[in-house]
Amino acid sequence: KQEVTQIPAALSVPEGENLVLNCSFTDSAIYNLQWFRQDPGKGLTSLLLIQSSQREQTSGRLNASLDKSSGRSTLYIAASQPGDSATYLCAVRTPTWDPSGNTGKLIFGQGTTLQVKP
Amino acid sequence: KAGVTQTPRYLIKTRGQQVTLSCSPISGHRSVSWYQQTPGQGLQFLFEYFSETQRNKGNFPGRFSGRQFSNSRSEMNVSTLELGDSALYLCASRTGTGSYEQYFGPGTRLTVT
Repeated sequence: KQEVTQIPAALSVPEGENLVLNCSFTDSAIYNLQWFRQDPGKGLTSLLLIQSSQREQTSGRLNASLDKSSGRSTLYIAASQPGDSATYLCAVRTPTWDPSGNTGKLIFGQGTTLQVKP
Repeated sequence: KAGVTQTPRYLIKTRGQQVTLSCSPISGHRSVSWYQQTPGQGLQFLFEYFSETQRNKGNFPGRFSGRQFSNSRSEMNVSTLELGDSALYLCASRTGTGSYEQYFGPGTRLTVT
């Protein structure tokens, strides 16, 4: 059974610091991994998606890496800003080679709540 | 392009009642998934629909059901509401092919009293 863990559960850093959020999963058979951001009481905003064949993806100040063999992904945030304060969730999509039409599902970690202090 | 929309945004219901939530996916997206988010359990997958067919189902009781219409809009129904059904219900859509990247709506906050 696939399980996704995110450490730490909460993180507080001063503005301008570079930081790394960690995500680990127990089964390396994944289709892709997606990082999301969630502001309090709101929906999820997709940040980065890494296909199982890729090693990393970058968008602006964000860089996500994937090491499927070790079951790990990291989200690197450069030069953090107060506006980055939110909960960050990683999710893995289970494989989709089920002949019955099962297209897999996203399994989420519990998230890391980030606070960036001015 | 408009994002995923969900209605209503907030709901208060009483135990034993039933509720229907609605989701309109991004134009052109044929797959709609539903998730339940609670402080204790986090985000849990409910089900996914593609071209009006349920393609996958999570581990929820039969009180939770859904359907998808020919225009890809989806509804989720919860019957005989329990206090534990209080949660943020999120809908997500994707094209149904390609990268499988999912886009989420703002959610419906359901409170059961």
